[in-house]
Amino acid sequence: AQSVAQPEDQVNVAEGNPLTVKCTYSVSGNPYLFWYVQYPNRGLQFLLKYITGDNLVKGSYGFEAEFNKSQTSFHLKKPSALVSDSALYFCAVRRLSGNTPLVFGKGTRLSVIA
Amino acid sequence: DTGVSQDPRHKITKRGQNVTFRCDPISEHNRLYWYRQTLGQGPEFLTYFQNEAQLEKSRLLSDRFSAERPKGSFSTLEIQRTEQGDSAMYLCASSLAAGGRGTGELFFGEGSRLTVL
Repeated sequence: AQSVAQPEDQVNVAEGNPLTVKCTYSVSGNPYLFWYVQYPNRGLQFLLKYITGDNLVKGSYGFEAEFNKSQTSFHLKKPSALVSDSALYFCAVRRLSGNTPLVFGKGTRLSVIA
Repeated sequence: DTGVSQDPRHKITKRGQNVTFRCDPISEHNRLYWYRQTLGQGPEFLTYFQNEAQLEKSRLLSDRFSAERPKGSFSTLEIQRTEQGDSAMYLCASSLAAGGRGTGELFFGEGSRLTVL
């Protein structure tokens, strides 16, 4: 079975400071990892994904994520937070092989304070 | 607009009524997914189609729920005899099958919010 844990329900950060949103996963075989962002009353928007290769993945809006196989983690990072980054962030995983659907975490609400 | 579209965006109904949601995926995408999202939770998988074939259904999908994708294009999700516990955001997503021309990420619509009174 696949699962995702986002240990923090809420992350608060001051504008201009670096931010990290944590994600750990469990999957049999090689993982296929994603981050999505959701603004109020909207659908989910794709930010970035990891399939294979470089452990540091760069995505939209200046976000990046670091894949760590030994710690089964895929933390989302940004060097300098903006107020407009305030939203709900979801980590998701599926097995790289096969046709299993994406499994999402519960989400982490990011609040960037001016 | 070439994204995933869902209709209606909002639906308020009384307990016991039937409701139907429609999803139009990105035109070249062969996979279509339905997820349900309740307040404070991440999206939960309900079912997905590859072309017109329904390949997997979650155990969350009770007998009152049925989904179709008759021509491999748009899809409908019907909920019969709605209950208050059905109140949620119903999200549709589409993708190209991984391993082919696509890399499998899902593109989501804006969702259909259901409120059962």
